[in-house]
Amino acid sequence: ETGVTQTPRHLVMGMTNKKSLKCEQHLGHNAMYWYKQSAKKPLELMFVYNFKEQTENNSVPSRFSPECPNSSHLFLHLHTLQPEDSALYLCASSQVAGRDQPQHFGDGTRLSIL
Amino acid sequence: QKEVEQDPGPLSVPEGAIVSLNCTYSNSAFQYFMWYRQYSRKGPELLMYTYSSGNKEDGRFTAQVDKSSKYISLFIRDSQPSDSATYLCAMSATSGSARQLTFGSGTQLTVLP
Repeated sequence: ETGVTQTPRHLVMGMTNKKSLKCEQHLGHNAMYWYKQSAKKPLELMFVYNFKEQTENNSVPSRFSPECPNSSHLFLHLHTLQPEDSALYLCASSQVAGRDQPQHFGDGTRLSIL
Repeated sequence: QKEVEQDPGPLSVPEGAIVSLNCTYSNSAFQYFMWYRQYSRKGPELLMYTYSSGNKEDGRFTAQVDKSSKYISLFIRDSQPSDSATYLCAMSATSGSARQLTFGSGTQLTVLP
């Protein structure tokens, strides 16, 4: 496999459920990102990891919990979500964070909260 | 005022037309400028990447940056139905709070056969 792979592609969950989103990159990059994309709004940066260390948390509610066990894998653990959290969640990677390197995106997980 | 402004469209053009997509920005520290294309149900795909002012051409696509006006453009020549997608501009600085990418909200383009 090449590029950035996200699973699952679609997820429907109740407000009291706990689920996790997974992202894997095969590009040899050292930085990984989570974004939220809502209709007609710009991509919102959520978290940044550089060499497995979290370097940015963009004031994200604690019901979203990221995990980066190594430079190739990134998870987003979800619990007690709200209806306004329904969106497309995109993972991206780049060579390093905070530099002039462009980011490469996965196809996202479409999350629906009932 | 948003840091990056992009007309959401939708924009419809006939096949073969020249398409002009634009973004304006307010942060003069931005130096890296990118255009992404996002097809329905897919993630954004990097199209063009430019540094500072000037033009860059890649096939039918030309990216233009005018830092004095804080204005960037993407031109698509001989547009094809396969160009129908949402186009996102993105930009960043080398340091400070703007070192991560800041995105526009995207312009939805439809090229009619």
